[in-house]
Amino acid sequence: DTGVSQNPRHKITKRGQNVTFRCDPISEHNRLYWYRQTLGQGPEFLTYFQNEAQLEKSRLLSDRFSAERPKGSFSTLEIQRTEQGDSAMYLCASSFRRGGPTDTQYFGPGTRLTVL
Amino acid sequence: AQTVTQSQPEMSVQEAETVTLSCTYDTSESNYYLFWYKQPPSRQMILVIRQEAYKQQNATENRFSVNFQKAAKSFSLKISDSQLGDTAMYFCAFRMDSNYQLIWGAGTKLIIKP
Repeated sequence: DTGVSQNPRHKITKRGQNVTFRCDPISEHNRLYWYRQTLGQGPEFLTYFQNEAQLEKSRLLSDRFSAERPKGSFSTLEIQRTEQGDSAMYLCASSFRRGGPTDTQYFGPGTRLTVL
Repeated sequence: AQTVTQSQPEMSVQEAETVTLSCTYDTSESNYYLFWYKQPPSRQMILVIRQEAYKQQNATENRFSVNFQKAAKSFSLKISDSQLGDTAMYFCAFRMDSNYQLIWGAGTKLIIKP
């Protein structure tokens, strides 16, 4: 059983460019989450999907951010017109409802974005 | 709004010692879940231990145990017989029963010295 994978692992871009990140969750996990983590801080929630439906979006997710999970499997996070403040680690996690109340999220290695 | 506070930015102990990391949280919810995650340098976030608020018994996972004080809204992590591989950032996280997003503390950097 492979873990959550994210690509690319690192992305350097110039301000104003668009970037897209991909997340492949653990097989059969029906929930997928995106978080953003800046240096020295804890992650901040961005959005989550149950299957292909995007059920919640944080206020942090401005109009320049869009996330999709078209077939309920992998997900993409796109940032348009990047700004230097977008520089961060973007983390993806997935979880599977086993029927119990606890729903543990398993994380990928993250994509580190640097906006010059 | 729910908040999670980790008051110890950094801690350092000798190998084989026991160390306790503190976490407090604020919520008006009665049903929720608490987690400790570990993030080694340049590596991914790994679940260490979790606790359901409705369970009075403190969770344990091998050398890791928690002291969950619901009334005090405190959730500390104890690491026994610490090992060099325990060196990492440790994050406390909270999740409401009705919501799947994790709310995180700022983290504690733990250094285990040989």
